[in-house]
Amino acid sequence: EAGVAQSPRYKIIEKRQSVAFWCNPISGHATLYWYQQILGQGPKLLIQFQNNGVVDDSQLPKDRFSAERLKGVDSTLKIQPAKLEDSAVYLCASSWTGGVRGYTFGSGTRLTVV
Amino acid sequence: DAKTTQPTSMDCAEGRAANLPCNHSTISGNEYVYWYRQIHSQGPQYIIHGLKNNETNEMASLIITEDRKSSTLILPHATLRDTAVYYCIVRVAGGTSYGKLTFGQGTILTVHP
Repeated sequence: EAGVAQSPRYKIIEKRQSVAFWCNPISGHATLYWYQQILGQGPKLLIQFQNNGVVDDSQLPKDRFSAERLKGVDSTLKIQPAKLEDSAVYLCASSWTGGVRGYTFGSGTRLTVV
Repeated sequence: DAKTTQPTSMDCAEGRAANLPCNHSTISGNEYVYWYRQIHSQGPQYIIHGLKNNETNEMASLIITEDRKSSTLILPHATLRDTAVYYCIVRVAGGTSYGKLTFGQGTILTVHP
């Protein structure tokens, strides 16, 4: 099966600018996740979708981060305005509903805010 | 979800077995032990999971102690390509309830020639 696709692979922006990341999950996977991974740390869950509804966004900084998953397939994560501390790799993952094996991750988008 | 404790780093010679320990003393009866790894510049990759029986697949073996308070991931013949960060995660799974994958710091495994 094809993997989780993410774009862009890298992005450099200035602080206070906006940026958007795109994710295409594995076909048929109803559950989609966005993680943030700061250098030297494990990934941290930002938001979880079940189809096109939000299941958990408790760790999402909602004053600047937003995410949507239209039609229950592709998803976008946006940051506006970006801060220096948002520099990180943003990982998208997907799974079957109740997937006992866990998630399949994409390669991520590396964001650098200068 | 229960927390896990792993060594920060480990070394292993190529061709030898790599044994990565994990403590999860507060694990609940409905929590599984999962192992993922993350190779540089890639997303985490699923390796194996288990509840209480030992498990083996094409990538690794998972040994869970009888009291389930600790486990060991075994890579039987480590190669240079196994150099990665290895994450041990406990997660509710089964029936209709599936918990989040919550990552800790993991163990940096370095395989030497």
